[in-house]
Amino acid sequence: KNEVEQSPQNLTAQEGEFITINCSYSVGISALHWLQQHPGGGIVSLFMLSSGKKKHGRLIATINIQEKHSSLHITASHPRDSAVYICAVRPFGNEKLTFGTGTRLTIIP
Amino acid sequence: KAGVTQTPRYLIKTRGQQVTLSCSPISGHRSVSWYQQTPGQGLQFLFEYFSETQRNKGNFPGRFSGRQFSNSRSEMNVSTLELGDSALYLCASSSSWGANTYYEQYFGPGTRLTVT
Repeated sequence: KNEVEQSPQNLTAQEGEFITINCSYSVGISALHWLQQHPGGGIVSLFMLSSGKKKHGRLIATINIQEKHSSLHITASHPRDSAVYICAVRPFGNEKLTFGTGTRLTIIP
Repeated sequence: KAGVTQTPRYLIKTRGQQVTLSCSPISGHRSVSWYQQTPGQGLQFLFEYFSETQRNKGNFPGRFSGRQFSNSRSEMNVSTLELGDSALYLCASSSSWGANTYYEQYFGPGTRLTVT
């Protein structure tokens, strides 16, 4: 079983819809990252969080440390949001970033 | 500020050869991490360097090695290439490093290595 599980694996939605991507992990962590990868490979770090909630534009990330769960929300989704979204965690006592398998998001105009 | 740069962007090698990939971090950043991305295994951590010292290493064979120079630039080397080493190799820089202290990572565009 992977230490980091993401759901769904694939998500197709209409432009304007509210999007939620989930990440569950099985170990205690110091930090969690949400990353965005567009076709071609470039990765952008969206959020790094260890508690609570962060917001940047139309993106919101939340984390519940007790439940070992994080969500990434996109409001008013747009075709340019189409990308793979990857969750990654830093386990306690092991600083190696461990990645989920990603969620492929497609927003249809 | 210029972003993280990686060279070369694309590379084709033959089994048994060796390869060296280069990463230049954002100016002022002192920590560099390397990752391998394959369709089968996804993203995996290779190593992390800070102040020319390897601070952490992933679960890869000894054929994978790296180093960091005094100007924070980093190289990774893969010897005796295997077909399974075909992957996108990404590096990321961050401003600093500290045990149990985490800094935002900024990723380069990657080097796509194909081993034939």
